[in-house]
Amino acid sequence: EAAVTQSPRNKVAVTGGKVTLSCNQTNNHNNMYWYRQDTGHGLRLIHYSYGAGSTEKGDIPDGYKASRPSQENFSLILELATPSQTSVYFCASGDAQCNERLFFGHGTKLSVL
Amino acid sequence: GQQVQQSPASLVLQEGENAELQCNFSTSLNSMQWFYQRPGGSLVSLFYNPSGTKHSGRLTSTTVIKERRSSLHISSSQTTDSGTYLCALERDSGGSNYKLTFGKGTLLTVTP
Repeated sequence: EAAVTQSPRNKVAVTGGKVTLSCNQTNNHNNMYWYRQDTGHGLRLIHYSYGAGSTEKGDIPDGYKASRPSQENFSLILELATPSQTSVYFCASGDAQCNERLFFGHGTKLSVL
Repeated sequence: GQQVQQSPASLVLQEGENAELQCNFSTSLNSMQWFYQRPGGSLVSLFYNPSGTKHSGRLTSTTVIKERRSSLHISSSQTTDSGTYLCALERDSGGSNYKLTFGKGTLLTVTP
């Protein structure tokens, strides 16, 4: 089974600070995704990527940037964190060869104070 | 409006009872997936089921495209089945961008 590892698992940040969430996958999947999960909203797509060097906007990209420097790594960057970005963030990877079944990381719980 | 609606929002069962979880969608789709989320944990893919019926142990997924619905049946529930069940659809956008839209989930609690 595909392995998707997120770091950190928990993060407390201050308003206005920069936060970087990291994701690493070891199964050579082309596609990677960042979602956030909030009560009452379910999972919402922030950014995604088709491969190294590509980033695409998802449904709620405002306030977030993404970086895909390699096939394995996909980062989510909050340049100026706000309390509304307090959430649980999930990274996922998938590939057309696996019928695009997504494999998720364990999540990062981010609190912005 | 919301493209993916799940029902019920929550469900409490006694161990051994069966569960039927529903997912209705308002747009055409390329595929439907079901996920299980452990309490406070990550998501695990249960089914990739664009149409028809699929089985995995005590779980059965049925997707009927023309009726725009998918269901997840859990037979002989166990306490370890407790958690949140999420459906997600890949919209038919004419391309293959593999973006999923998730429902809000069904919180299942199975009591001893």
